[in-house]
Amino acid sequence: DSGVTQTPKHLITATGQRVTLRCSPRSGDLSVYWYQQSLDQGLQFLIQYYNGEERAKGNILERFSAQQFPDLHSELNLSSLELGDSALYFCASSIGQGDGYTFGSGTRLTVV
Amino acid sequence: GQNIDQPTEMTATEGAIVQINCTYQTSGFNGLFWYQQHAGEAPTFLSYNVLDGLEEKGRFSSFLSRSKGYSYLLLKELQMKDSASYLCAVRDGSGGYNKLIFGAGTRLAVHP
Repeated sequence: DSGVTQTPKHLITATGQRVTLRCSPRSGDLSVYWYQQSLDQGLQFLIQYYNGEERAKGNILERFSAQQFPDLHSELNLSSLELGDSALYFCASSIGQGDGYTFGSGTRLTVV
Repeated sequence: GQNIDQPTEMTATEGAIVQINCTYQTSGFNGLFWYQQHAGEAPTFLSYNVLDGLEEKGRFSSFLSRSKGYSYLLLKELQMKDSASYLCAVRDGSGGYNKLIFGAGTRLAVHP
């Protein structure tokens, strides 16, 4: 157990729907990062939060949004889902900004 | 922008040594990480270099040359369980905030 908790582990939903992925960072970590990994692809950086504030954005679609709450957990919202959104979504956390990341076990999203 | 290149696939024999290369171009280089990722699982931290030279940690070593934009991961005494993807990641501090940008990964197959 890495200490980073992601729920749910698996999610199957239909095109056009909206889903919310949840991440609880490791105790004491203030930074949360979201990554998308499509089949046989590298990790694509989506967005970063530090202590509740958005810090950096990567290639995140406008249909996607995220936030970090006062208790430091984070949620990634994916809307108007398309088949191509099927992927593993990883959350990672670190104490500061850009220290060694600890990854959660991921949420596997399948859009049918 | 950022560009990180590493070979797509490598094969090696159990007990041998393998070197996985990574070249990068980034405007805000602030350290280089190597992660191991087994299929469908979370990436796990292997090593970190911020200064030029070699960092050794058991069977794994990582080298960095900042002037050449080059790093390698050296795996010794290969075991079957080392079959995995190896991700090179650059910590980019441009824009005032650190974030990790990952390469596409090198899939290593270790055979008897």
